[in-house]
Amino acid sequence: NAGVTQTPKFQVLKTGQSMTLQCAQDMNHEYMSWYRQDPGMGLRLIHYSVGAGITDQGEVPNGYNVSRSTTEDFPLRLLSAAPSQTSVYFCATRRGEDEAFFGQGTRLTVV
Amino acid sequence: AQKITQTQPGMFVQEKEAVTLDCTYDTSDPSYGLFWYKQPSSGEMIFLIYQGSYDQQNATEGRYSLNFQKARKSANLVISASQLGDSAMYFCAMREINNDMRFGAGTRLTVKP
Repeated sequence: NAGVTQTPKFQVLKTGQSMTLQCAQDMNHEYMSWYRQDPGMGLRLIHYSVGAGITDQGEVPNGYNVSRSTTEDFPLRLLSAAPSQTSVYFCATRRGEDEAFFGQGTRLTVV
Repeated sequence: AQKITQTQPGMFVQEKEAVTLDCTYDTSDPSYGLFWYKQPSSGEMIFLIYQGSYDQQNATEGRYSLNFQKARKSANLVISASQLGDSAMYFCAMREINNDMRFGAGTRLTVKP
């Protein structure tokens, strides 16, 4: 039982490049979210989804796109990477009002 | 506006002593949930404890308890009998209706032998 799987674990991008961070879960949870973690700021919500076909913006959505075509997958797309997007990204899932389960994180550096 | 406030960037505690990590929150929703997570140096997020806004009693999970004071909008985490393995970042989080979880800035706890 893998739980929540994020790929890649590490990535270096050049400014202006695009990429997709992958998140897959095998827990059959309807809720999925993306967070970024920066020093001294905790985790900030980027986008979230309450089920397949439904997404919504969080606190810091600019520069990121998401889609949710299946229950299992919730990819996060960076359209044109900027140094300000250097961060650690976490994907999380949950069922109903239960606690969230997190992936291991993706450390992204934009140069 | 900041929804979750953790005022202690860093805390020290002697091994086997108890420690309280502070968390205050801001919401106008009558129904919400409060969570604490631990993040060790390895980076994963570990769920510790949950308190619902309508729960009458403070939540407890082993050595962890949540001191919930609804009128003061505080949800402090109490760790009893601290262990060296408790050294980590601790995050308080809140989830409101029709919204997802929002986190505080975290408190770094160091347990001294």
